[in-house]
Amino acid sequence: AQSVTQLDSHVSVSEGTPVLLRCNYSSSYSPSLFWYVQHPNKGLQLLLKYTSAATLVKGINGFEAEFKKSETSFHLTKPSAHMSDAAEYFCVVTAYNAGNMLTFGGGTRLMVKP
Amino acid sequence: ETGVTQTPRHLVMGMTNKKSLKCEQHLGHNAMYWYKQSAKKPLELMFVYSLEERVENNSVPSRFSPECPNSSHLFLHLHTLQPEDSALYLCASSHDRGNTGELFFGEGSRLTVL
Repeated sequence: AQSVTQLDSHVSVSEGTPVLLRCNYSSSYSPSLFWYVQHPNKGLQLLLKYTSAATLVKGINGFEAEFKKSETSFHLTKPSAHMSDAAEYFCVVTAYNAGNMLTFGGGTRLMVKP
Repeated sequence: ETGVTQTPRHLVMGMTNKKSLKCEQHLGHNAMYWYKQSAKKPLELMFVYSLEERVENNSVPSRFSPECPNSSHLFLHLHTLQPEDSALYLCASSHDRGNTGELFFGEGSRLTVL
């Protein structure tokens, strides 16, 4: 079985300050992990993915995430928030033993204050 | 523009109506998906089609009926829906079913059942 927990349903930051969105996962096998972003009234877009290569993964728009097996975490970070980063972010896990089907976290809504 | 187009973007229907949601992908992908996104709930996978054959049906009520006439088009036929079926319905595609981590989503069809 696999699961993913996003520890914060809402995160609020000021423009120009760092962003940290937390994600913990559970998986019986070596997981693949993803972050997706959903802007208002839009579909989801892949931000970045981890598939057992480098543990520090860089994505689009300056985001990155680090896979930490010992902590079963895959937190999403960005050094400096921009107003356009305001959106909902989803952490996603999949594994071969789950038929490669995705399990989505509940989402974290990021608000960016001017 | 993700290459996945959904119509209509908004739909209001009564419980006795019959309507359909349409999805079209222009990416040459072989797998297509329907997801349901409800407020305060994780994204729910409804159906998966691979090469026009249904390969996954996650215990979805029979009032939702999918159709995949070819690898570029996916429909979700709706009849005798309930108010709790009101949600954002997202279509997605991937190169093939084994590559489900990298999904390309449409912008969704917002359904309201009165």
